[in-house]
Amino acid sequence: KAGVTQTPRYLIKTRGQQVTLSCSPISGHRSVSWYQQTPGQGLQFLFEYFSETQRNKGNFPGRFSGRQFSNSRSEMNVSTLELGDSALYLCASSASSGTGVRSLYGYTFGSGTRLTVV
Amino acid sequence: ELKVEQNPLFLSMQEGKNYTIYCNYSTTSDRLYWYRQDPGKSLESLFVLLSNGAVKQEGRLMASLDTKARLSTLHITAAVHDLSATYFCAVDTYNTDKLIFGTGTRLQVFP
Repeated sequence: KAGVTQTPRYLIKTRGQQVTLSCSPISGHRSVSWYQQTPGQGLQFLFEYFSETQRNKGNFPGRFSGRQFSNSRSEMNVSTLELGDSALYLCASSASSGTGVRSLYGYTFGSGTRLTVV
Repeated sequence: ELKVEQNPLFLSMQEGKNYTIYCNYSTTSDRLYWYRQDPGKSLESLFVLLSNGAVKQEGRLMASLDTKARLSTLHITAAVHDLSATYFCAVDTYNTDKLIFGTGTRLQVFP
């Protein structure tokens, strides 16, 4: 079956611009979460969506936002880009239910979007 | 706040040798995940450990979980060059789909 698809793979943006990243989860998965990976801070949780609702949010400024559509595809947006936003952004999908029961199979990650802010 | 610590951060080992990577976490969690990451690539799931005492093996890698000690280990047996990568452990908490990652262990296997 198809895995988690993230687009685009690479992006170069200028400071002050905004960017939108997309993630299509594995078919049937309703939970999508986003992570930022940088050499200095490692892998950090951004937010998680289930059935179009944000269930968890990490400790990031309001410039980082996201949403999920009825087909479970998710987007994240970063406004007013800063140099420090340069990172690998990863999304993950899981088969967790809406009642707090987590998937037995864990989380499958997409290939990531490499964002460079210049 | 849930924290996850891995050690060592860097591991350079000779082919054929054995070694263990340790993962400690700070609060109660009933499951733990191990991932592998190659340079410039995404995270590949290695193991999902679902309960206390869980042990899983795949090839030269074996992972275990002790929830009482809040400790997981990833044991490498007879290392080969293809195992060179960064290994992350991560935990999530009850009723969330939020992974907290360790710092990662960069493994380099040389001849």
